[in-house]
Amino acid sequence: DSGVTQTPKHLITATGQRVTLRCSPRSGDLSVYWYQQSLDQGLQFLIHYYNGEERAKGNILERFSAQQFPDLHSELNLSSLELGDSALYFCASSLGQGGQPQHFGDGTRLSIL
Amino acid sequence: AQSVTQPDIHITVSEGASLELRCNYSYGATPYLFWYVQSPGQGLQLLLKYFSGDTLVQGIKGFEAEFKRSQSSFNLRKPSVHWSDAAEYFCAVASNTGNQFYFGTGTSLTVIP
Repeated sequence: DSGVTQTPKHLITATGQRVTLRCSPRSGDLSVYWYQQSLDQGLQFLIHYYNGEERAKGNILERFSAQQFPDLHSELNLSSLELGDSALYFCASSLGQGGQPQHFGDGTRLSIL
Repeated sequence: AQSVTQPDIHITVSEGASLELRCNYSYGATPYLFWYVQSPGQGLQLLLKYFSGDTLVQGIKGFEAEFKRSQSSFNLRKPSVHWSDAAEYFCAVASNTGNQFYFGTGTSLTVIP
């Protein structure tokens, strides 16, 4: 058990819809990272938050947004969903920044019908 | 730009045989390097990390990795593979600000009895 909690585990929805994925980091961790894992793209870094502030953006679409709240949990919002958004979405947390090891949740599997 | 290459998409070894998974990185400065393992349906688990110092690092589950700056490599090794080691293995590099992580495309390991 990594200590990182992601909900829901599975999500099935239709094209054009909007969903919110939730992540609770390990106790004491200030950094939260979001990743998308698909068969054709591999593990893609989306965005990084540290103590409530956005620190880096990766390959995140404009239809996607995220935030980290004062209690340090984070949410990833995906809107105007397309079939290609079907993937496993991972959240990872680390104590701080500076390349510290990340601890991954078990992911949310998103299926777009 | 930072990147990670895992040249072997899939490797099959016999139980008890030795293992080496290759990883090459591209990064301007001394990177932070990691190996993660992912079992089916699970998140990624940290095996080991290299920040500085001794270029041979020991990890969990009997794994080790060697950082070779001259070859820009960080290969993962295990002297004797167990059937439970069958999984997907990811090499990753992080900048020293730690704001972005870059993962390789992964190597799938099959262990035959």
